[in-house]
Amino acid sequence: EAQVTQNPRYLITVTGKKLTVTCSQNMNHEYMSWYRQDPGLGLRQIYYSMNVEVTDKGDVPEGYKVSRKEKRNFPLILESPSPNQTSLYFCASSSMGGVRSPLHFGNGTRLTVT
Amino acid sequence: GESVGLHLPTLSVQEGDNSIINCAYSNSASDYFIWYKQESGKGPQFIIDIRSNMDKRQGQRVTVLLNKTVKHLSLQIAATQPGDSAVYFCAENNAGNMLTFGGGTRLMVKP
Repeated sequence: EAQVTQNPRYLITVTGKKLTVTCSQNMNHEYMSWYRQDPGLGLRQIYYSMNVEVTDKGDVPEGYKVSRKEKRNFPLILESPSPNQTSLYFCASSSMGGVRSPLHFGNGTRLTVT
Repeated sequence: GESVGLHLPTLSVQEGDNSIINCAYSNSASDYFIWYKQESGKGPQFIIDIRSNMDKRQGQRVTVLLNKTVKHLSLQIAATQPGDSAVYFCAENNAGNMLTFGGGTRLMVKP
């Protein structure tokens, strides 16, 4: 089954403790991206990747890192999480058309930073 | 399920009626628009897209209308069903590699 898999689904952590949210897709998609979703703000793009070893900042990249060492994986790294990063995070992928192809989203990771 | 927004605009319709969800976009240079549906506890799911050289596009039970003069996009759902209950997001792109999403509209279908 074609899917985007994020882990963990829920995560509670404390300020400053490094964490990684994993994202994997099995569709051989070139484009992958991370979004955060906050009430009333819709989805805002954090980082995206057009292909392996190619990453770029989105609208809200501060406090986040990503890497794209393999085509299927695109982990989101929070080196020193802060409470304002409490949010619902989504990973998405699409084919060569990037955002002009339908994005396939994972089911989300609910992060709480205390 | 996950709450995606506590203060979203809400459209309530009777099962079987047609629904119209509206979206005002911000960038006059945007030339690609897309609608996503998000059910509780899930990620957004693609519904339909439209490019700026069109003003209407139809899918199965859904129609997207684009009015570039007033920067307005709408999603029409025919014969709305309980399974259509969700939050709907419009998004725009202006040839870069990012989508800008709207704040979303919650559709509630009454049986």
